[in-house]
Amino acid sequence: DAGVIQSPRHEVTEMGQEVTLRCKPISGHNSLFWYRQTMMRGLELLIYFNNNVPIDDSGMPEDRFSAKMPNASFSTLKIQPSEPRDSAVYFCASSPTSGGLNTGELFFGEGSRLTVL
Amino acid sequence: AQSVTQLGSHVSVSEGALVLLRCNYSSSVPPYLFWYVQYPNQGLQLLLKYTTGATLVKGINGFEAEFKKSETSFHLTKPSAHMSDAAEYFCAVSVLGYSTLTFGKGTMLLVSP
Repeated sequence: DAGVIQSPRHEVTEMGQEVTLRCKPISGHNSLFWYRQTMMRGLELLIYFNNNVPIDDSGMPEDRFSAKMPNASFSTLKIQPSEPRDSAVYFCASSPTSGGLNTGELFFGEGSRLTVL
Repeated sequence: AQSVTQLGSHVSVSEGALVLLRCNYSSSVPPYLFWYVQYPNQGLQLLLKYTTGATLVKGINGFEAEFKKSETSFHLTKPSAHMSDAAEYFCAVSVLGYSTLTFGKGTMLLVSP
């Protein structure tokens, strides 16, 4: 079975440019998460969706960040305009439910490494 | 709200030695507890989890963890370290029905020959 698929794996861009990261969750998983990982701050939850609806976006750092999930098989995280401090590895993860309840068990993609110059 | 504390950002062991990675949690309701492992340039993957029932949980690659409610701990152990165990390990806590996992800051396990 295919796992969580993220693209691009690596992105190098210049300050001010728009960045779009993409994620395809595991089929049948109801929840999708976007995390950011840096040396300084570790793993940070940015936003999560349940059944394609954003549930908690309190971790989104600024208005420059936005995320969408137009259908059950696709999500995007957009940064516009990008800044050097956005440089990080961005992970997408999906999670199944059990008996209608979220299990907390996450399946991570391999990440998108973003470098903003 | 729940939280996780991992003691030690780095742990070094020799190949064949016991591995012990410490995790303490805080939760106002019965927790679900997880250990995830992250190999270089990869995403996190589930090592093991505790939900209910038996407090000693076995995971992949010979790892196990014991839920101790009285100590609010969920330490990860492996009797004999292998070079391939070198990775970063994350402890996490959640509550049934809620999607959000709270992760610890991670412990880097270094294994020397």
